[in-house]
Amino acid sequence: NAGVTQTPKFRILKIGQSMTLQCTQDMNHNYMYWYRQDPGMGLKLIYYSVGAGITDKGEVPNGYNVSRSTTEDFPLRLELAAPSQTSVYFCASSRPRGPRNSGNTIYFGEGSWLTVV
Amino acid sequence: DQQVKQNSPSLSVQEGRISILNCDYTNSMFDYFLWYKKYPAEGPTFLISISSIKDKNEDGRFTVFLNKSAKHLSLHIVPSQPGDSAVYFCAASGADGLTFGKGTHLIIQP
Repeated sequence: NAGVTQTPKFRILKIGQSMTLQCTQDMNHNYMYWYRQDPGMGLKLIYYSVGAGITDKGEVPNGYNVSRSTTEDFPLRLELAAPSQTSVYFCASSRPRGPRNSGNTIYFGEGSWLTVV
Repeated sequence: DQQVKQNSPSLSVQEGRISILNCDYTNSMFDYFLWYKKYPAEGPTFLISISSIKDKNEDGRFTVFLNKSAKHLSLHIVPSQPGDSAVYFCAASGADGLTFGKGTHLIIQP
């Protein structure tokens, strides 16, 4: 039962470097999300996608980019890493909201710990 | 402005007793409320949810209560077990997706 898989688990970046966090899901979910969690804080939505070819900004999109070329994959790109992007990143997926869904239950990956120095 | 608030950063409960985690929200348009549990170095996992048209939902040891007039929900765990030690996030579902609280770290003491 793979669910949502994200890589890498841990990464240290230098200021100004770029990298891509990979995310893939095998549940055929239309919706995918990227969240970040800072210490002592809740989860903040960075970007989300409601289907292949469609992406939209969340609450904290600055400094990030995403693409959604397939249903399964939703990579998150950091172009010019900054210390403020030191955080734990969670990819997630869900079915579309609807009357038969239990409140749009979201399934999370295990997280990617990113440190920018 | 936080729309979902968990005012207790941590809670310590003795094993076997009841754990009560609280959550307040401000947006009356939220139509579903969810609780997620998170262990260290893992992603959050869905625990239990409740529709805004209900006031209680029970699943084994876990019960969620919703008081719409007070814009308050709570998660009751009884009896509390050592494996329940984790961070619990309250989340509210609306037109913009899920909005999460900051979490409450539940510690079950032997």
